[in-house]
Order: sequence, then structure tokens, then C-alpha cells
Amino acid sequence: EAQVTQNPRYLITVTGKKLTVTCSQNMNHEYMSWYRQDPGLGLRQIYYSMNVEVTDKGDVPEGYKVSRKEKRNFPLILESPSPNQTSLYFCASSHPRVDEQFFGPGTRLTVL
Amino acid sequence: QKEVEQNSGPLSVPEGAIASLNCTYSDRGSQSFFWYRQYSGKSPELIMFIYSNGDKEDGRFTAQLNKASQYVSLLIRDSQPSDSATYLCAVNMGYSSASKIIFGSGTRLSIRP
Repeated sequence: EAQVTQNPRYLITVTGKKLTVTCSQNMNHEYMSWYRQDPGLGLRQIYYSMNVEVTDKGDVPEGYKVSRKEKRNFPLILESPSPNQTSLYFCASSHPRVDEQFFGPGTRLTVL
Repeated sequence: QKEVEQNSGPLSVPEGAIASLNCTYSDRGSQSFFWYRQYSGKSPELIMFIYSNGDKEDGRFTAQLNKASQYVSLLIRDSQPSDSATYLCAVNMGYSSASKIIFGSGTRLSIRP
């Protein structure tokens, strides 16, 4: 089954404790992206990647890091999480010539 | 700041009527435009995309794009209760097929029986 998977789905952590949210897709998509969704603010793009080793900042990259060492994986790293990073996070992927993005199920992160 | 604006709603429409959702964007260089539907607690899913001025129809859905006025709209004909969801407008601000995507904050649509 073609899908985007994220882990963990739910995470409660404390300020300053490094964490990684994994994202994997099995559709051989070149393009992958991370978003956060907050009430009243919609989806905001954090980082995107056009292909392996090619990443670029979205609208809200501060406090986040990403890497794209393999085509299928695009982990999101929070080196020192803060409470304002409490949010619902979505990973998405698409083939660059087809603009439909396929979204993962979401990761709900709470930083205390 | 490049922006995509939507009325947050809620927009209440009787079953069987036409629901009209609107979106404006600020960047004249935007190339492609999307409508996603998101049910509560679920991931967004693509309904339609449109690249050229005019109308694009797919079943009960019609997307309309007017680049001169910088707006894109979505019409849902014969609205069903299952259409009740939040509708997200998204704009590709880049010149390649997939780059920086800006989403609006979404319009909540409620179809009343």
C-alpha cells in the first residue's frame, strides 16, 4: 500500500530534550516536506526537500533541522524543543512533476 | 510575507445546495493552486489542483482560477453531509513543480441536512 508513515504518532516531552520525528514514504517520491498545524494558523511549511541531500527552508524553520540521506526518509529533528513547538506535525511527499502531496497521519507533539 | 487568505467560517450550507469557498493569494508569480479537504483529526487530502485561468471540473467539484484578480475558488455542487470538513487552499509559490507551498488557514464547511 502506497503511504507516508510517521513515528511517533503522539509524543509528550520536556523542554530541551532532543527528539526526532521520523517520516518515510514508499512511493519513490523525490519531494518531501514537513508542516506544522496550529489552530487558526493552518498548515505552515517548516522544511522541504526536492531530492536526496537537497533541502530548503519553508516559512517557519526556526528551531528545526532536517536531513535527507535517503530518498524514502525525511526525519524532523528538534535539537532543543520549547513549548511553542507544541503542535500537530505532518510529513508529506510527492513526485515533483505531479503536485499532489500525500500526507502522513500526523504526529501530535506536546512540549512541557 | 507571501500570504494565502481564506475566510475561516464556519460556512453553513443546506444539503443539496452549492457551497462556494474562496481564497486569495498575494504572490503574482504563483504557478499552481490546490484545494485540500481535511476531516477533523485526519490528514489533508487533495481534492483538486488548477494551473490555468478558468474553470476545472471534477465530478461535483469545480475549481476556478483568476490570476489577474489573484483568487481561486472551489464550488461544491449538490452538497452532502459528508462534505462537512475544513477546506484548505494551497499555493505553490515556486517556479518548479514542487517547492515552497503556502496554505491558507482553512474554511470550515458544515452541510446541514
